[in-house]
Amino acid sequence: GAGVSQSPRYKVAKRGQDVALRCDPISGHVSLFWYQQALGQGPEFLTYFQNEAQLDKSGLPSDRFFAERPEGSVSTLKIQRTQQEDSAVYLCASSPLGTGNYGYTFGSGTRLTVV
Amino acid sequence: QKEVEQNSGPLSVPEGAIASLNCTYSDRVSQSFFWYRQYSGKSPELIMSIYSNGDKEDGRFTAQLNKASQYVSLLIRDSQPSDSATYLCAVNLMGGFKTIFGAGTRLFVKA
Repeated sequence: GAGVSQSPRYKVAKRGQDVALRCDPISGHVSLFWYQQALGQGPEFLTYFQNEAQLDKSGLPSDRFFAERPEGSVSTLKIQRTQQEDSAVYLCASSPLGTGNYGYTFGSGTRLTVV
Repeated sequence: QKEVEQNSGPLSVPEGAIASLNCTYSDRVSQSFFWYRQYSGKSPELIMSIYSNGDKEDGRFTAQLNKASQYVSLLIRDSQPSDSATYLCAVNLMGGFKTIFGAGTRLFVKA
């Protein structure tokens, strides 16, 4: 596609509910990143994929967070048993190369509100 | 100490003035440096990247890097109201794939 596509744009979840956030990167982009952005803060790294391999998941806040990219294209970030502190914008970014050294293209983000 | 530090602002400048945004980083092996612009309610957009000491100019934007002082800056000449946004400084470690972002500086350009 022409850009990074994320869905849904907005998600309201009741506390304890599971959610799944989807990212469709730019076609052919090797690298895919997930970031979490709280209000008034910069994006915080969650996890990184190079093709289908998850090379770094050090930023995932807890074992309730899980990400996958099974065919090296579309990625899903899943949050189990959502908590209020999970409320944030979840940003997906992709890059054509196997590093982040040339900057990212971000999607529009998914705004998650846990009530 | 945060890895990437920025003054949160807001920084307010009159239209036509030069806006100067600053950033410091803690890791000496950082290799790649970026400025992203983020409008309210939108996602970050890459506007400048810089990899070596000195200045890099692109239109009204100039990025400056001083690795010895671990300092990156962004100058916006002839500031316009449309430049009003949050500017995020971001840093990549050498050989790394992970970009670390600062909290951003809010810029207001008054017409």
